[in-house]
Amino acid sequence: DAKTTQPTSMDCAEGRAANLPCNHSTISGNEYVYWYRQIHSQGPQYIIHGLKNNETNEMASLIITEDRKSSTLILPHATLRDTAVYYCIVSLPGNQFYFGTGTSLTVIP
Amino acid sequence: GAVVSQHPSWVICKSGTSVKIECRSLDFQATTMFWYRQFPKQSLMLMATSNEGSKATYEQGVEKDKFLINHASLTLSTLTVTSAHPEDSSFYICSAQRGVYEQYFGPGTRLTVT
Repeated sequence: DAKTTQPTSMDCAEGRAANLPCNHSTISGNEYVYWYRQIHSQGPQYIIHGLKNNETNEMASLIITEDRKSSTLILPHATLRDTAVYYCIVSLPGNQFYFGTGTSLTVIP
Repeated sequence: GAVVSQHPSWVICKSGTSVKIECRSLDFQATTMFWYRQFPKQSLMLMATSNEGSKATYEQGVEKDKFLINHASLTLSTLTVTSAHPEDSSFYICSAQRGVYEQYFGPGTRLTVT
């Protein structure tokens, strides 16, 4: 079963930062936090993952709280192409993913 | 990122027939692949874990005799939906594990059973 809870939907103005929260209060010590997004009728696209340190790549930043019970995905400058369903997943490395309901992000012009 | 392909991208079949869906990792070898199913406006649901050279591990509630999975090589896993019925119509997505931390998804296969 999914171990994460996310808001059902969010809006963000184009050009602004999109901050997507995720709660994972039952995360275990060795489990990583993964973020993927799914644009309509496509397979999920990898965004970023982390264990306990904040991570940044060309797509996004991942902020994980010190107690690791929650995290936030930050898209620094949202564009219309970032409109998608964003999934936060908690899993041991190499293990299967159990998807939650995700957050439907709509970027507004 | 790594590339995972699926074939076909969409298929229509008649009730009672079988359909095979291929999942290939194009630029890396994947010991482990996963199969998911997604119904309209719902999240992805894990069906099974496929390990190269061994039997697949199915999630609770997934009929292993109906959804046959074969992972014959490090770059290919297949899902065969046997005796398909309209309720099997769905979006089937595979993913392939690259290394320890990275899992890459295919583009999905839309199955419609008439």
